[in-house]
Amino acid sequence: AQTVTQSQPEMSVQEAETVTLSCTYDTSESDYYLFWYKQPPSRQMILVIRQEAYKQQNATENRFSVNFQKAAKSFSLKISDSQLGDAAMYFCAYRSSPSGTYKYIFGTGTRLKVLA
Amino acid sequence: NAGVTQTPKFQVLKTGQSMTLQCAQDMNHEYMSWYRQDPGMGLRLIHYSVGAGITDQGEVPNGYNVSRSTTEDFPLRLLSAAPSQTSVYFCASSVRDTRRNTQAFFGQGTRLTVV
Repeated sequence: AQTVTQSQPEMSVQEAETVTLSCTYDTSESDYYLFWYKQPPSRQMILVIRQEAYKQQNATENRFSVNFQKAAKSFSLKISDSQLGDAAMYFCAYRSSPSGTYKYIFGTGTRLKVLA
Repeated sequence: NAGVTQTPKFQVLKTGQSMTLQCAQDMNHEYMSWYRQDPGMGLRLIHYSVGAGITDQGEVPNGYNVSRSTTEDFPLRLLSAAPSQTSVYFCASSVRDTRRNTQAFFGQGTRLTVV
């Protein structure tokens, strides 16, 4: 069974600085998808960035980028130029390939605080 | 675009009461699921469905029932509420074909308190 581990329950970053959130996962599959979701105090789950395992290039969305290390089964999220609005809970998630199940498996989350 | 609509947003139940959390999506997604979110535990899968008439258990199914009579709706029933079911519940949907989209779309969540 696949597992997702987020070992940092809480992180802090100064406004305008860069922070990296860690995520590791375990799977025997070769084709899968990885995601970072943001959950602000409103509770809404917002997709931040996604990565297809078959792509070697790291995904980037504006100030958000990932460091995807397939062999190490690591998927970290880097937030550059942190803003107060980035303060939220961040979840790493895994989804199997089309031939597998359609379950999303989530990590336990990292709460990010942004200090003014 | 309504997306995933989840009701109610808040609910307080007494131990032993039953209730149904409603979830509807208008995106014609095949896959729908229910998660519960507890502090320090992330989101844990309760039940899921890969299409109308097909449901299966997730990681924490005990005390919950689901059915999927239509593509759009996937209600979650609490049969006899217990304090351990106090949690935030999320409904999510996604397409089966990942070439179309891999993203899961979430409802706004229901904060349920069982007293």
